[in-house]
Amino acid sequence: GQQLNQSPQSMFIQEGEDVSMNCTSSSIFNTWLWYKQDPGEGPVLLIALYKAGELTSNGRLTAQFGITRKDSFLNISASIPSDVGIYFCAGLNYGGSQGNLIFGKGTKLSVKP
Amino acid sequence: NAGVTQTPKFRILKIGQSMTLQCTQDMNHNYMYWYRQDPGMGLKLIYYSVGAGITDKGEVPNGYNVSRSTTEDFPLRLELAAPSQTSVYFCASSYSGGDVYGYTFGSGTRLTVV
Repeated sequence: GQQLNQSPQSMFIQEGEDVSMNCTSSSIFNTWLWYKQDPGEGPVLLIALYKAGELTSNGRLTAQFGITRKDSFLNISASIPSDVGIYFCAGLNYGGSQGNLIFGKGTKLSVKP
Repeated sequence: NAGVTQTPKFRILKIGQSMTLQCTQDMNHNYMYWYRQDPGMGLKLIYYSVGAGITDKGEVPNGYNVSRSTTEDFPLRLELAAPSQTSVYFCASSYSGGDVYGYTFGSGTRLTVV
């Protein structure tokens, strides 16, 4: 089946530093998503990308959909302690009865105050 | 507006026991999904439904059953629990397959099979 390779697996950074994580796929997706998961909660959508090459920002978060439609990155600028959590990339191909997400394994972010 | 509600939050089962994980949504979403999340892994789709009376298998359906008799409810049934089913289970819903901003997850059910 489709797989997403997400890296790095974990990051330990100092408050105020910038963060970058990325995701690659063996197949094409028509939508790419980035989620954040806090402990004991379900994933919450951060950014959705629809077009190859699209660059989208949401506050301190910036994400891009790769030209080949097989990769994406997420940047977090000036990290703060509440950025701690697990970040997942997810690909979505929808149409007809489809609608399920394919998730990467996640990047666990730890921020030292 | 409760969104997606899952019960129970935690459960310990013995091997061979059965149980039903409950999921209900109050957003009138057509699509509902069940995912499992193993430690250090992303979520994997177990079953999904595009409307009442319609269900289909996802990536990892073995050992599970679902039903969708109403728009609101999508229970997940484990008939003979096995240690490999120890996981965190997430229910989700969306208005349509492309409704990414409305795609809402519940807070999960942590299941341990011993």
